[in-house]
Amino acid sequence: NAGVTQTPKFQVLKTGQSMTLQCAQDMNHNSMYWYRQDPGMGLRLIYYSASEGTTDKGEVPNGYNVSRLNKREFSLRLESAAPSQTSVYFCASIEQGGRGEQYFGPGTRLTVT
Amino acid sequence: KQEVTQIPAALSVPEGENLVLNCSFTDSAIYNLQWFRQDPGKGLTSLLLIQSSQREQTSGRLNASLDKSSGRSTLYIAASQPGDSATYLCAVTVYGGSQGNLIFGKGTKLSVKP
Repeated sequence: NAGVTQTPKFQVLKTGQSMTLQCAQDMNHNSMYWYRQDPGMGLRLIYYSASEGTTDKGEVPNGYNVSRLNKREFSLRLESAAPSQTSVYFCASIEQGGRGEQYFGPGTRLTVT
Repeated sequence: KQEVTQIPAALSVPEGENLVLNCSFTDSAIYNLQWFRQDPGKGLTSLLLIQSSQREQTSGRLNASLDKSSGRSTLYIAASQPGDSATYLCAVTVYGGSQGNLIFGKGTKLSVKP
């Protein structure tokens, strides 16, 4: 099992450019999450998907869109990148029917200039 | 609104010391509490998960306790080693809203000196 994978690992964008961060999990988990991590702010939830076909906003959704393409994949899109979106982005999924342990991907480090 | 606080923000100890990291949360209605480790420039690795009905969990030199009524958890690291140097994050899973929506503390940065 690869667990949770994310691409790309690093990205530099200019203000106004768009891009999509990809996330996939091979653990057959229903629920998937996107967080961002900023110095001094900790990790904050951007969007989540409780199951295939559903998505909901988290704490900081502005400027982002998501797509739950299928059970395995959950993508995060920045339509018009801003310097405030410079951050490290983590995707996660949660085991079903168990203890609720959350598994994280390695992260995408995004810089917007 | 659930808030998670970790004290201290940074800690430096000599190798071999036993140490305690603290985590507090404002709302006792949690599903579970997880401790994570994060190395610089890396992702999060789950260390221990305590269900809301449990009092503690142990893994090797690590022991985590949970006191829901007082809104506190501690992570005890025995016989610390330089390889334990990392940032340790505490997170609670809240009821309602997103299943498994984690609320994180800002972490304790641990440095273990040889």
